[in-house]
Amino acid sequence: EAGVTQFPSHSVIEKGQTVTLRCDPISGHDNLYWYRRVMGKEIKFLLHFVKESKQDESGMPNNRFLAERTGGTYSTLKVQPAELEDSGVYFCASSQVLGEAFFGQGTRLTVV
Amino acid sequence: DAKTTQPPSMDCAEGRAANLPCNHSTISGNEYVYWYRQIHSQGPQYIIHGLKNNETNEMASLIITEDRKSSTLILPHATLRDTAVYYCIVRVTSGTYKYIFGTGTRLKVLA
Repeated sequence: EAGVTQFPSHSVIEKGQTVTLRCDPISGHDNLYWYRRVMGKEIKFLLHFVKESKQDESGMPNNRFLAERTGGTYSTLKVQPAELEDSGVYFCASSQVLGEAFFGQGTRLTVV
Repeated sequence: DAKTTQPPSMDCAEGRAANLPCNHSTISGNEYVYWYRQIHSQGPQYIIHGLKNNETNEMASLIITEDRKSSTLILPHATLRDTAVYYCIVRVTSGTYKYIFGTGTRLKVLA
């Protein structure tokens, strides 16, 4: 069984550019989460999808971040425009209703 | 939201038990304690979880105090491959099921 897949694994972009991160959850997992770790800080929750609906987006830092999950399958997280403080590792995770979450390997985003 | 507190680092001799403590004194009655670990540049990997009873699986044991304010993850026979950052996490179970990560304990298993 394939795990949670994230693409790209690394991205380096200039300040002001747009970047889109993609997450493919485990098949059949309705719950999809985005987390991130910025330098020196702990891993922080960004948002939670149940199928295509946003269940909780309380962790989204500002309106430069937009997450979508059209059709309730894969999800994208777009940062527009990117700022230096957005650099970090972005993790996606998926789970069944009350099961443990399975994490992807993360996307390392560097904004220069 | 509840927060967890862990020692930043620990060493353990190979073959010995590794006992990793976690304080979660503000945990609510319906919030679970989860443990994950992160090896090098991989994503966090699930280890074990519990609500109030002690739990054991093939990887580890989880001991939760009766007042639920702290817990200990036990790796019974640590190997070099257990070297990783271990996260004690509180999982919210009302409305969302988000994880609240602590800063983690960097465990180094020594040969």
